Amino acid sequence: DAGVTQSPTHLIKTRGQQVTLRCSPKSGHDTVSWYQQALGQGPQFIFQYYEEEERQRGNFPDRFSGHQFPNYSSELNVNALLLGDSALYLCASSLRGGGSMNTEAFFGQGTRLTVV
Amino acid sequence: AQSVTQPDIHITVSEGASLELRCNYSYGATPYLFWYVQSPGQGLQLLLKYFSGDTLVQGIKGFEAEFKRSQSSFNLRKPSVHWSDAAEYFCAVGAYYTGNQFYFGTGTSLTVIP
Repeated sequence: DAGVTQSPTHLIKTRGQQVTLRCSPKSGHDTVSWYQQALGQGPQFIFQYYEEEERQRGNFPDRFSGHQFPNYSSELNVNALLLGDSALYLCASSLRGGGSMNTEAFFGQGTRLTVV
Repeated sequence: AQSVTQPDIHITVSEGASLELRCNYSYGATPYLFWYVQSPGQGLQLLLKYFSGDTLVQGIKGFEAEFKRSQSSFNLRKPSVHWSDAAEYFCAVGAYYTGNQFYFGTGTSLTVIP
């Protein structure tokens, strides 16, 4: 089991550009959540995808968007990059249980995005 | 508002000594509580979680945590620290109805000296 895999591991972009980050969930998981972790901070929730729809969203602008594919993998897109978007972007996968609470979330290694 | 406070930014302990990392939370519903560990350049690994029941929970790598509702705390403990425990530790809170929308603290960096 490969666990949660994210690509690329590192990325350098210029202000104003657009970026796409990718996540493959752990085998058997159907829910993907994205987090932004700035240097020296804890992760902050961006949004969550289940059944190819955005289910919950944190306090992030519309420049942050996502997608989930039928195979449960997911993409995070950020438009009009700002210097402040430089961070480690973490993907977490889980299995949505009978209620709203997912089972344990497994995190990927993250994508380190640097905006210059 | 939901929030998690980890008052200790950095802690240094000697190998073999005991450890306690503090976590206080503010949450408007019955909280689900978690401790994660992050090694440099790595993702987050779940150490333990509290959903309900016994307020003392056991986790991996010899860690345990105690939920104290009256103090809104969920402190992490380990009786004897190993050099390999050096890492960043994050406390997180969630709720039953929010799936995996967690609120994380700012983390505590643990240094272990021989």
